[in-house]
Amino acid sequence: QKEVEQNSGPLSVPEGAIASLNCTYSDRGSQSFFWYRQYSGKSPELIMFIYSNGDKEDGRFTAQLNKASQYVSLLIRDSQPSDSATYLCAVTPYGGSQGNLIFGKGTKLSVKP
Amino acid sequence: EPEVTQTPSHQVTQMGQEVILRCVPISNHLYFYWYRQILGQKVEFLVSFYNNEISEKSEIFDDQFSVERPDGSNFTLKIRSTKLEDSAMYFCASSELKGQLVSNQPQHFGDGTRLSIL
Repeated sequence: QKEVEQNSGPLSVPEGAIASLNCTYSDRGSQSFFWYRQYSGKSPELIMFIYSNGDKEDGRFTAQLNKASQYVSLLIRDSQPSDSATYLCAVTPYGGSQGNLIFGKGTKLSVKP
Repeated sequence: EPEVTQTPSHQVTQMGQEVILRCVPISNHLYFYWYRQILGQKVEFLVSFYNNEISEKSEIFDDQFSVERPDGSNFTLKIRSTKLEDSAMYFCASSELKGQLVSNQPQHFGDGTRLSIL
């Protein structure tokens, strides 16, 4: 069974701090890694994606991938109260040639003013 | 910015009835997906669709489910005889095809249809 694991939280950080969200996956052959943000009752919204080992930065967001450790993370710098949401890690498994995503349960982030 | 649109936003149906959920993917996207999210649980893949046929489907997507692209813009999910456990949020998503790896393409989600089975 291919699994994506996330700490459900809640993760609470003060406004302006760095929020660090982590994700591990079981399928060593996983190909692509995505972070989505989901506000309560809303749909997943794409934040970032990463395919290669290392860091990828986009504005206040940095995705980090370590395939050897089967670990992907999302850093949010200068966290704002509007960042409060559930962050979903999603992975395209090996053999998922048509792009079907396996999602984690998500980490709930709370940014306190 | 182009977006995936889904209708209706909320559907209430009696158990055993058929229901059709509708989606209009982003116009230049070629891959289409349905996912569901039961309240409080993770988002689960149901089916992917490309070139007018199913590409992949999960164990959830049994004979009660079907998908169709009836025209050039709509993409539908039909549940033939609904059960209580079909109550969930259903999301449609679409992605482009750039290069050769569809698995690398980010999927963009619609706002979802909340399906309530009574």
